Amino acid sequence: GPKVLQIPSHQIIDMGQMVTLNCDPVSNHLYFYWYKQILGQQMEFLVNFYNGKVMEKSKLFKDQFSVERPDGSYFTLKIQPTALEDSAVYFCASSLLGVGYAEQFFGPGTRLTVL
Amino acid sequence: GDSVTQTEGLVTLTEGLPVMLNCTYQTIYSNPFLFWYVQHLNESPRLLLKSFTDNKRTEHQGFHATLHKSSSSFHLQKSSAQLSDSALYYCALRGGRALIFGTGTTVSVSP
Repeated sequence: GPKVLQIPSHQIIDMGQMVTLNCDPVSNHLYFYWYKQILGQQMEFLVNFYNGKVMEKSKLFKDQFSVERPDGSYFTLKIQPTALEDSAVYFCASSLLGVGYAEQFFGPGTRLTVL
Repeated sequence: GDSVTQTEGLVTLTEGLPVMLNCTYQTIYSNPFLFWYVQHLNESPRLLLKSFTDNKRTEHQGFHATLHKSSSSFHLQKSSAQLSDSALYYCALRGGRALIFGTGTTVSVSP
């Protein structure tokens, strides 16, 4: 079936550095999402992106976070600067439609460790 | 705010026995969408079932669930578990744009 790819699978960085997480969504999908999962906890919604704009974001989407998808390239999540509490697995997802019943396809996640 | 509760963190059972995973939710939306996602080890979460119709059973790959708005529940069931069903199962709710996940239930099926 359709696959979402995420690069890298693991990233270790020092606190205060910038990090960019990359997502290659399903090719014809229009809606993109990031979720955060701290070890042992559930996945939590960060942000929803469509047509070049953030449509909705949660309180977890701090000012240090930003997302973009320049012209069909990767959908990226940038954190600048990083903090210890940003250590988590970040899942990217995409969907063709934005309606409630639309299936979101998930990538395998990027494990981010902030030291 | 919206929330999803999965009461079992771990379910262990023997192959061939029935399995039921509990899921209840709270939402301000009168017409929520409910989903079950399954995540096998080292794989991405993938959709197993979805529903937005009250009291209608939905089935896929031997699993079934019925959305009951009266009890705010969307329990997942299977009549006979297989070894390949060992995985992490998430119940999720969508009222607005965001998917709200439960904490997940790990299912471990042994021979």
